[in-house]
This record gives sequence, structure tokens and C-alpha cells, in this order.
Amino acid sequence: KQEVTQIPAALSVPEGENLVLNCSFTDSAIYNLQWFRQDPGKGLTSLLLIQSSQREQTSGRLNASLDKSSGRSTLYIAASQPGDSATYLCAPMDSSYKLIFGSGTRLLVRP
Amino acid sequence: DAGVTQSPTHLIKTRGQQVTLRCSPKSGHDTVSWYQQALGQGPQFIFQYYEEEERQRGNFPDRFSGHQFPNYSSELNVNALLLGDSALYLCASSSRLVRFTDTQYFGPGTRLTVL
Repeated sequence: KQEVTQIPAALSVPEGENLVLNCSFTDSAIYNLQWFRQDPGKGLTSLLLIQSSQREQTSGRLNASLDKSSGRSTLYIAASQPGDSATYLCAPMDSSYKLIFGSGTRLLVRP
Repeated sequence: DAGVTQSPTHLIKTRGQQVTLRCSPKSGHDTVSWYQQALGQGPQFIFQYYEEEERQRGNFPDRFSGHQFPNYSSELNVNALLLGDSALYLCASSSRLVRFTDTQYFGPGTRLTVL
């Protein structure tokens, strides 16, 4: 059974810092891994999707890496801004097309 | 394109009642997945529908059931509500043609409170 752990659970940083959010998963038989952002009480917004054959994906100030064999992914946020404050969720997708989510990292970027 | 829409936005029910939540997928999508998100937790997969049939199911009791209509929209039904069913219910849509290479698109969710 796939289990996903995200560390840290919460993070508070001053504006401008570079951040690394960590995600680990127990079953390496995944098709892809996705990172989502969730604002309080809202739905999920997809940030990045990494195929199992890829090592990383970039979108603007965001970069996500994937090491499938070791069951790890990281989300790197460059030059953080207050608007980045949200919960970040990682979710590997298994062969039955299910997303298995971690509990997320709650990020607060202070002005 | 309106994206994924869900109704209602909020719902308050009492224990033992039944509830129906609705989801309209993004245009061009044929697959709908439902997730339950308890406060402070990540979403948990409930089930997935395509071609009007339940295809995958997570670890949820039979009180949770669903339906998909010919226009790909979907309903989630929960019977005999328990306090623990209070959560944000999220619907996600996708296309089976690109199911492993494209993301699932999530709706804004329905907040269910059971008193």
C-alpha cells in the first residue's frame, strides 16, 4: 500500500527565501508524481507533473525533482513571495490511475 | 471553459441523513474521480468513474456510492451520515486518452458538515 510522507508539515519563512519541500513514498511503482497547491478551503491547483521516466520539471520559479528508485521528490521554490503561502501536496499516481496524497506542507511566506 | 464545477458549495446535514453531491467535469474529459479531504489531511481517493461505471474504489464503506451520467457528469451519494463524514469532497476530472501523462483537474469542492 502506497504511503506518502511530506516534510516539513509546516514552514514559515521571510519573503525572498529559496525553499525545499520534501515528499517520500513507499512504493516506487508509479506512473507519475504531481505537485498541487491548495489555498484554504479551496480545491487543488496542479503545479507540476513529473513522468516516472523524468528526473525533473520546471515551471517559472518552481522546480520539482523525482528519484523514483529511492521514493523521493522535492519541490524547490525560488525567491518566495507572500502569494506563495498555501498548502503544497504531493501525489504519486499508481497503475490504477489513483492519486495518493500526503498530508501536505503548510507554507507561510512573511512579507 | 468553466473547468470542473461542483454543487453545492456547502452543505449541513444531521447524522443518519443522506446527501448527494454533484460534479460536472471539464469539457472533453470522460473520467471523474472523487476524493474526501478531512481537515488538516490530504485528499483520500473514494472512487473513479468512466463509461458510466465504477472502475476503481478506495477504502470506503458501501454507504458511499456514485453514478456517472452519459454526459460524463457524476454524483456522489452518502447514506446514513456519520459525524466523521464531515469533510471537503473534491471531484477531479481527466481524459482516459492521456490519463498517465496529464494532470487531474480538481473542482472547488463541497464542504459537508454533519451535526
